[in-house]
Amino acid sequence: DTGVSQDPRHKITKRGQNVTFRCDPISEHNRLYWYRQTLGQGPEFLTYFQNEAQLEKSRLLSDRFSAERPKGSFSTLEIQRTEQGDSAMYLCASSLAQGSYEQYFGPGTRLTVT
Amino acid sequence: GIQVEQSPPDLILQEGANSTLRCNFSDSVNNLQWFHQNPWGQLINLFYIPSGTKQNGRLSATTVATERYSLLYISSSQTTDSGVYFCAVEPTGRRALTFGSGTRLQVQP
Repeated sequence: DTGVSQDPRHKITKRGQNVTFRCDPISEHNRLYWYRQTLGQGPEFLTYFQNEAQLEKSRLLSDRFSAERPKGSFSTLEIQRTEQGDSAMYLCASSLAQGSYEQYFGPGTRLTVT
Repeated sequence: GIQVEQSPPDLILQEGANSTLRCNFSDSVNNLQWFHQNPWGQLINLFYIPSGTKQNGRLSATTVATERYSLLYISSSQTTDSGVYFCAVEPTGRRALTFGSGTRLQVQP
């Protein structure tokens, strides 16, 4: 049983560029979550999917952010026209939709916007 | 939204000492998890404990949901226990975790 994986692990981009991150959840998990963590803070919720449906979005998810989970398996998070304030660790988690709702996190993608 | 407060914010221990970390939350929850974040940023699951008491080796946790708090006990601390400990709760009716600001633990040899 492999854990949650994320790619890339690190991304450095220039302000104004678009970036896309990928998350592969634990195979039998049908819920997938995205969080963002800035230095010295706890992670903050961005959005979550149950299967392919995006069921909740945080107000932190501005119009420049979009997330997809087209086949209910992996998910992508795209940030358009990146800003320096987008620099953070982007974390993906997955869980079951029934029984235990325990969330398991991936290693994260660290984004630096220069 | 729900408020999650962790205390203490920072803790320095000598190896072998015991400690108690506290998490208070302001509303009813479906889920409560404790995590250890290692220096590389990976969140490691310690406990899934919406209520009751669990133990895993030198670590144990207790959640009293009716009084809206949880405690994480670390006994015989080791230098590898260093890092940030987060409490995270899933408020009733939601599926997103709300994290506290963490307790930064440093265990000195």
